[in-house]
Amino acid sequence: DAKTTQPNSMESNEEEPVHLPCNHSTISGTDYIHWYRQLPSQGPEYVIHGLTSNVNNRMASLAIAEDRKSSTLILHRATLRDAAVYYCILRVNNYGQNFVFGPGTRLSVLP
Amino acid sequence: DVKVTQSSRYLVKRTGEKVFLECVQDMDHENMFWYRQDPGLGLRLIYFSYDVKMKEKGDIPEGYSVSREKKERFSLILESASTNQTSMYLCASSLIGGSLSYEQYFGPGTRLTVT
Repeated sequence: DAKTTQPNSMESNEEEPVHLPCNHSTISGTDYIHWYRQLPSQGPEYVIHGLTSNVNNRMASLAIAEDRKSSTLILHRATLRDAAVYYCILRVNNYGQNFVFGPGTRLSVLP
Repeated sequence: DVKVTQSSRYLVKRTGEKVFLECVQDMDHENMFWYRQDPGLGLRLIYFSYDVKMKEKGDIPEGYSVSREKKERFSLILESASTNQTSMYLCASSLIGGSLSYEQYFGPGTRLTVT
């Protein structure tokens, strides 16, 4: 199974942009790149996903490298409520719908 | 909004007890999942189900079983609880795939302590 590599932790200042990197050098052509985040004492929540093209939604943007071996989750203006563990996940697009969660990146947002 | 609920937020059981963790979703999702989350190990998939009465093993099924008698409900069963099953248990649901990749919706989790 293709795996992802993320930094263990990152820090950001409030109201500044945050770029969370993810490496997935063994990604296959049918793997979708998903990002989830987990706020303290809550279950993970969906942030964004993409296949090849960059994606934007109300929460974040996802920039995918042309060779798809890496991607970056962009929070345009970090708030204190964005402090969470962010997971970059490759989702195999098959009937089994399997997710593989790694340890993620713990984002701290400083006021 | 999708809602995934889990029967308990906190549970304390004794070694050897049979434990049932219940999960209910209200969005008619075909897929349901059980994960456990441990510090330093992230989320690990225990079992998932893509239809009523259907189940597939995940990465760590040993010591667990599941039941899906109704589409909205997915139960995780610890036949004989052991201390190494002390963990946070997370349930999730999603639409079934096909050519699209649907997001998973997670419940709030059940923190199980086995003493």
